[in-house]
Amino acid sequence: GIQVEQSPPDLILQEGANSTLRCNFSDSVNNLQWFHQNPWGQLINLFYIPSGTKQNGRLSATTVATERYSLLYISSSQTTDSGVYFCAVVMIYNQGGKLIFGQGTELSVKP
Amino acid sequence: SAVISQKPSRDICQRGTSLTIQCQVDSQVTMMFWYRQQPGQSLTLIATANQGSEATYESGFVIDKFPISRPNLTFSTLTVSNMSPEDSSIYLCSAGTRDSYYGYTFGSGTRLTVV
Repeated sequence: GIQVEQSPPDLILQEGANSTLRCNFSDSVNNLQWFHQNPWGQLINLFYIPSGTKQNGRLSATTVATERYSLLYISSSQTTDSGVYFCAVVMIYNQGGKLIFGQGTELSVKP
Repeated sequence: SAVISQKPSRDICQRGTSLTIQCQVDSQVTMMFWYRQQPGQSLTLIATANQGSEATYESGFVIDKFPISRPNLTFSTLTVSNMSPEDSSIYLCSAGTRDSYYGYTFGSGTRLTVV
């Protein structure tokens, strides 16, 4: 089956720093989604991005589907950005699609 | 995007018992899914909840252990049966429509501890 790999597995930042998280996938996918899981376990949808670039405040994401990777940029990081970031690829079948998750990047932002 | 209410948010259960988790979506959705997240791990798909028919289970998950119902397009339940400590995990419900601009949404999760 398809493999989804994220890097780095862990990242520690000082508040205000910028970072780039990477997601590689082993096969063609229909779409890709980035999530943030906060320390309370809630999974928050950040971007649904099959290709191109999207921005939302301090966060932006770029997916290059032909080269099978996606990047999540966090600028001017804040302590509230701490948590685990997951990318998940969408595999379409029949009338729907399912998500296959990477192992996540655990981000810790220090004050 | 759809809003999902999931309950209970957490529970502590005795081994050998069963727990049913409920997932309610505020709009009709094509797809509903159940995921498991073991401590310190990523999310693993348990099954796709199909409306009006039996769920589709992923490799390693069986209906006897994780029976699923989906009586309509906005509601689903997952039961964790005959629990053991190894079932201690976060269980998450997800829903979405294939062509949704917002992608797939998740409930807040059920944190299960089996003692």
